[in-house]
Amino acid sequence: DVKVTQSSRYLVKRTGEKVFLECVQDMDHENMFWYRQDPGLGLRLIYFSYDVKMKEKGDIPEGYSVSREKKERFSLILESASTNQTSMYLCASQALLSSGNTIYFGEGSWLTVV
Amino acid sequence: AQTVTQSQPEMSVQEAETVTLSCTYDTSESNYYLFWYKQPPSRQMILVIRQEAYKQQNATENRFSVNFQKAAKSFSLKISDSQLGDTAMYFCAFTLSGGYNKLIFGAGTRLAVHP
Repeated sequence: DVKVTQSSRYLVKRTGEKVFLECVQDMDHENMFWYRQDPGLGLRLIYFSYDVKMKEKGDIPEGYSVSREKKERFSLILESASTNQTSMYLCASQALLSSGNTIYFGEGSWLTVV
Repeated sequence: AQTVTQSQPEMSVQEAETVTLSCTYDTSESNYYLFWYKQPPSRQMILVIRQEAYKQQNATENRFSVNFQKAAKSFSLKISDSQLGDTAMYFCAFTLSGGYNKLIFGAGTRLAVHP
């Protein structure tokens, strides 16, 4: 089974802090994604990466950056956390040429910025 | 740009009955995939069913089936013999075929199954 692991399930951070959300997948997938989920808005794409050191902006990249130094790891960085970034963050991975484009998700990271 | 619309924010159904969740999408492309994901209270996103746009036959997975109407750009999910464990948020999603294409989600439908 594909496993996507998000290291932190619940975090509370102060406004202005730098926040790192880590995600690791164990299936050698090329593509990795960071989404945020808010009530009534569904899931919105923040950034995605299709290879090591490669990244593309999603629909809501403002206030975020990402890092992909190794194929299995994709990190989301909030340079200076703000209260409007309180949300649930979902990491996902996808094999490029198999599984009918199926995307596999981690369990989510709940971030509260106070 | 592609969009996905789920017009039912909440639905409820009695155990053992059948319920249908609606989804429409908009795209000018012809090759794509459609998905239904389930998110129970644990928040883990679980793939329920997948449909390739080039296939006319509707996908089925046990009690879950879809009604895919490509011309109408409609992709509804039917849950038969509803069970308490089906209580969850259901998301319809779309992605273009090939390469690195993002998954676009609808806003979700919260389904409650009552005993």
